Amino acid sequence: DAKTTQPNSMESNEEEPVHLPCNHSTISGTDYIHWYRQLPSQGPEYVIHGLTSNVNNRMASLAIAEDRKSSTLILHRATLRDAAVYYCILNYGGSQGNLIFGKGTKLSVKP
Amino acid sequence: EPEVTQTPSHQVTQMGQEVILRCVPISNHLYFYWYRQILGQKVEFLVSFYNNEISEKSEIFDDQFSVERPDGSNFTLKIRSTKLEDSAMYFCASGTGGWARSYEQYFGPGTRLTVT
Repeated sequence: DAKTTQPNSMESNEEEPVHLPCNHSTISGTDYIHWYRQLPSQGPEYVIHGLTSNVNNRMASLAIAEDRKSSTLILHRATLRDAAVYYCILNYGGSQGNLIFGKGTKLSVKP
Repeated sequence: EPEVTQTPSHQVTQMGQEVILRCVPISNHLYFYWYRQILGQKVEFLVSFYNNEISEKSEIFDDQFSVERPDGSNFTLKIRSTKLEDSAMYFCASGTGGWARSYEQYFGPGTRLTVT
């Protein structure tokens, strides 16, 4: 099974960009890379996903390495509300896409 | 914006009792899921449901668990005889489905189950 590796925690200052890394060296050709986040006392929240090309949406950007063995979630201007656990997930868990969560990266944002 | 809702927000039950956790997925979604998160631990997949049947289930989802979509809107998780170790936050999620593994899931706020 393909696995992901993320730092346990990261810190950022408010209004500065944040780059959250994820390594997935055993990714298969059909695995999509998903990012979810979980704010304190809430359910997980979809952030973004991609396959090969970089992706942008209103919440974040996803930069995928050319060899697909790593990716980076970019929050362009961190706010206090972005303090959460961020999960990088490869959707390999079954034909219906059940998500397999790891421990994620706990992002702290300082004012 | 449509959202997944769950009731109750907190359920306290005695060991051995049956509980039913309820979820209303987003109306045009076709894929439904239950996950759980024991306090301080990872979110764990329990079961996925599509076309009125279970698609996938994890090792956690044993004979004590069942899921049902009794009508066009509700999606329920039943635990027949609760154990202390079932105490956790239970999250319902739904998704539209799509090609291969490319779709996103929307999670509800969770039901905190406390078994005493």
